[in-house]
Amino acid sequence: NAGVTQTPKFQVLKTGQSMTLQCAQDMNHNSMYWYRQDPGMGLRLIYYSASEGTTDKGEVPNGYNVSRLNKREFSLRLESAAPSQTSVYFCASSESGTGQETQYFGPGTRLLVL
Amino acid sequence: GENVEQHPSTLSVQEGDSAVIKCTYSDSASNYFPWYKQELGKRPQLIIDIRSNVGEKKDQRIAVTLNKTAKHFSLHITETQPEDSAVYFCAARRTGFQKLVFGTGTRLLVSP
Repeated sequence: NAGVTQTPKFQVLKTGQSMTLQCAQDMNHNSMYWYRQDPGMGLRLIYYSASEGTTDKGEVPNGYNVSRLNKREFSLRLESAAPSQTSVYFCASSESGTGQETQYFGPGTRLLVL
Repeated sequence: GENVEQHPSTLSVQEGDSAVIKCTYSDSASNYFPWYKQELGKRPQLIIDIRSNVGEKKDQRIAVTLNKTAKHFSLHITETQPEDSAVYFCAARRTGFQKLVFGTGTRLLVSP
């Protein structure tokens, strides 16, 4: 099992450009999450999907959109990138409703917006 | 909403010493408290977790304690080793919710 995978690993954008970060998991998990990690700020939740077909805002959703494409895939889109969105983005997944709440993280995408 | 505060932000110890990291949470309805370890350039990984019906949990050199009345929980690492050097994050989850709220992290440096 690959676990949680993310593409790309690294991306440089110019202000105003758009891009989509891809995430996939092969653990048959119901729930998926997108976080951003900034120095001194910890992990902040952008959006999450408790189950296929549902998405909800987290702490810092402004400037982002998400799509739960199917049970395996959860993408994060930046429509018009801003320098404030320079960060490391982590996708995670977890089982739900079974008492197994462990969130498994992907390797991260490092995004630089110039 | 839930707020999790974590202290200290950095912690330096000598190999073999113990290390303690403390977190406080605001939502009394929180019932699940995991700890994640993140090595430099790597992804966060769960190292131990505790639920609100338990006061303490141990796994070899690491332990977590929970004080529900005071709304704080702590990570204890004994006999620290250089490979324990990493950033540690605490988190809390409210009953009935999927999402975790993370603390801001503690950078632990274990010197040989």
